[in-house]
Amino acid sequence: SQQGEEDPQALSIQEGENATMNCSYKTSINNLQWYRQNSGRGLVHLILMRSNEREKHSGRLRVTLDTSKKSSSLLITASRAADTASYFCATVDNYGQNFVFGPGTRLSVLP
Amino acid sequence: DVKVTQSSRYLVKRTGEKVFLECVQDMDHENMFWYRQDPGLGLRLIYFSYDVKMKEKGDIPEGYSVSREKKERFSLILESASTNQTSMYLCASSLEQGADNSPLHFGNGTRLTVT
Repeated sequence: SQQGEEDPQALSIQEGENATMNCSYKTSINNLQWYRQNSGRGLVHLILMRSNEREKHSGRLRVTLDTSKKSSSLLITASRAADTASYFCATVDNYGQNFVFGPGTRLSVLP
Repeated sequence: DVKVTQSSRYLVKRTGEKVFLECVQDMDHENMFWYRQDPGLGLRLIYFSYDVKMKEKGDIPEGYSVSREKKERFSLILESASTNQTSMYLCASSLEQGADNSPLHFGNGTRLTVT
């Protein structure tokens, strides 16, 4: 099955710096989504990218999608300690049904 | 806001016990899912359901079953719990099948320990 693979597995930065996480996948998709998970909690949806979309912004988040390279990136600008969490990408197949998650990037933002 | 509620945050069970994990969503979503999450393995789909009384196997259904008697409730059943089922279990729901804008809404998870 197709799978999103996040890179890096872990990232540690100082408050105020930008954090970039990447996701690669293997097969064609209907859409790609990014989720955030605080420690010990469920996942929260951040952004959905349809296959024909290339870039989206939401507050301090910027997501790009390159379907020719089968990759996506999540940029968090001016990071805060509260951004400390794990971030997952999920790909959705062309039937709009199956979500496949990668193992996630664990982001630590140090105050 | 969509609310997905899992009945227990923490659960400790003994090997061989039958375990029920309950999940309820309040937004009339058609689709419901059960995942387990383990370090280094990400989320793996156990079972999902697109309608009442309907169920489909995910990637790792062995040792599990599900029940969806009502639209809002999706139960995960461990018929005979084993130590390798110690994990974080996450329930999620989403709008109808094939909907273009249908993210998953997750509960807060149940951390199950089987001793």
